[in-house]
Amino acid sequence: QKEVEQDPGPLSVPEGAIVSLNCTYSNSAFQYFMWYRQYSRKGPELLMYTYSSGNKEDGRFTAQVDKSSKYISLFIRDSQPSDSATYLCAMGILNRDDKIIFGKGTRLHILP
Amino acid sequence: DAGVTQSPTHLIKTRGQQVTLRCSPKSGHDTVSWYQQALGQGPQFIFQYYEEEERQRGNFPDRFSGHQFPNYSSELNVNALLLGDSALYLCASSSNRVSSYEQYFGPGTRLTVT
Repeated sequence: QKEVEQDPGPLSVPEGAIVSLNCTYSNSAFQYFMWYRQYSRKGPELLMYTYSSGNKEDGRFTAQVDKSSKYISLFIRDSQPSDSATYLCAMGILNRDDKIIFGKGTRLHILP
Repeated sequence: DAGVTQSPTHLIKTRGQQVTLRCSPKSGHDTVSWYQQALGQGPQFIFQYYEEEERQRGNFPDRFSGHQFPNYSSELNVNALLLGDSALYLCASSSNRVSSYEQYFGPGTRLTVT
């Protein structure tokens, strides 16, 4: 079983819809959770990070962490065509010597 | 404020050759991590440099080596290139004073091995 599982998609939704992106993980030691957005042929861009269970909101984006289920989500409200990209979840352990583990990424297409 | 920069943008090499990729971290950052991203995959951690020393390493062979300079910039060297080394190589910088998890990525170097 991989440490981080993420459905590669592609996921296509109409403009204005709410998008739900998810990852599951197997290592209960993970404490720090991040979401990155990556446009084609670009480096990943840090969207949100959190190290606690619950919700964290930033504009149209909400990150949700459920440590009991080892499940994290990213919600995008009022989706725009410019949100079309690959979204990568990533996680690590609260020890500065530990590396970050990434999911494979979910390709998202917002249809105008 | 310049973000993370990488050079070159693209590179084509032949099997068996050696390659050096370069990274300049975001202003104020002192830690550099390198990742390999194959097509359709998430980034895979290669190693991290802090205070000019390799602090953490992923599951990559010794053909992959690196260096960090006093100005915090870094190089990734890959020897005896294989076709499977073709990928996007990403550099990410962070501040050890804050958190090494708040990493900011550069645009990457796309390496093609023929």
